[in-house]
Amino acid sequence: QKEVEQNSGPLSVPEGAIASLNCTYSDRVSQSFFWYRQYSGKSPELIMSIYSNGDKEDGRFTAQLNKASQYVSLLIRDSQPSDSATYLCAPRKGKLIFGQGTELSVKP
Amino acid sequence: DGGITQSPKYLFRKEGQNVTLSCEQNLNHDAMYWYRQDPGQGLRLIYYSQIVNDFQKGDIAEGYSVSREKKESFPLTVTSAQKNPTAFYLCASSQMRGANEQYFGPGTRLTVT
Repeated sequence: QKEVEQNSGPLSVPEGAIASLNCTYSDRVSQSFFWYRQYSGKSPELIMSIYSNGDKEDGRFTAQLNKASQYVSLLIRDSQPSDSATYLCAPRKGKLIFGQGTELSVKP
Repeated sequence: DGGITQSPKYLFRKEGQNVTLSCEQNLNHDAMYWYRQDPGQGLRLIYYSQIVNDFQKGDIAEGYSVSREKKESFPLTVTSAQKNPTAFYLCASSQMRGANEQYFGPGTRLTVT
């Protein structure tokens, strides 16, 4: 079993919809959780971090963490074509462990 | 203007040659990291350094070497022993305290033929 699991996608949503990206991890002692956005051919960009159970909102983005279920998600409200990218989940236990990413496509 | 720089953006080498990738940061971060990314794959850690003159192997260190003589710089050498060196190489840095959020440079795309 991989340490971090993400659906590779592609996940396709219409413009204006909510995109839901999910991530499960295998280690119970992960301390912090990060979401990165990576446009094709570019380097990852940190967009959200979450450290405690519950929701954290930042503009159109909401990160949700459930440590008991070892599950973290990213919701993108009012999705825009510019949100089309690969989203990487990265729990931290000492070092960051990256999932393979979910490709999101927002159709106009 | 603070950030992480990597050079060059694209690099082409013949098989059997060693090549060194540059990474510089002016964020005053303690830790620096090198990752490799292959098409459709996540990031795999090659080496990391938490302090000057010290570094640790990551998950795929074979065929690579690093140095950390200055806090700002963490060059990566891809040696001829690396069996499949063609990839996108990413350098990152973070503070050692707090959340340890990592920030990435723009990357170097290495092609070996």
